[in-house]
Amino acid sequence: QKEVEQNSGPLSVPEGAIASLNCTYSDRVSQSFFWYRQYSGKSPELIMSIYSNGDKEDGRFTAQLNKASQYVSLLIRDSQPSDSATYLCAVRNNNDMRFGAGTRLTVKP
Amino acid sequence: GAVVSQHPSRVICKSGTSVKIECRSLDFQATTMFWYRQFPKKSLMLMATSNEGSKATYEQGVEKDKFLINHASLTLSTLTVTSAHPEDSSFYICSAIGQATYEQYFGPGTRLTVT
Repeated sequence: QKEVEQNSGPLSVPEGAIASLNCTYSDRVSQSFFWYRQYSGKSPELIMSIYSNGDKEDGRFTAQLNKASQYVSLLIRDSQPSDSATYLCAVRNNNDMRFGAGTRLTVKP
Repeated sequence: GAVVSQHPSRVICKSGTSVKIECRSLDFQATTMFWYRQFPKKSLMLMATSNEGSKATYEQGVEKDKFLINHASLTLSTLTVTSAHPEDSSFYICSAIGQATYEQYFGPGTRLTVT
């Protein structure tokens, strides 16, 4: 069983729609959760971190965490073509960070 | 967010030579640095974790004698690919965690091509 699972996609949404990206993890004692965006040929860029259950909003991005279900998601409102990228979910326990394989998102104009 | 730099951004070398890649945390002290490699359209693969002043911990299957890692200070880690072969051609990315943050920041990556 993979430690951090994401649907590889591709996920395609029209411009202006809400993109919903999901991630599950297996380590129940994980403490910190992150979403990274990676454009093709570039390195990952941190866009959201979340540490407690519930929602955390930052601009058009909302991260949602449910530790009981071992589930973390990222919502992107008003999706733009520039949001087209691979989104990596990362889960951390102490100094051990595990990444999902990423979900490729395409936002069509 | 914190800034991590890598140098060089791109390097081409001949088979059998060694290449050194530098990773620097520019505005914070990095207690732990990580080295990843990524093949086209594939996910990140952790190679090793290094803590300042101690030996790096390598992931299973990564040859420590081939991929030499030095983390001599709280702001600098280096990865040396020794006796490079064409199959070592990849995108190498470092990342760092600061002393006062849970967040991991990535450098811009180094694209290595071995001819």
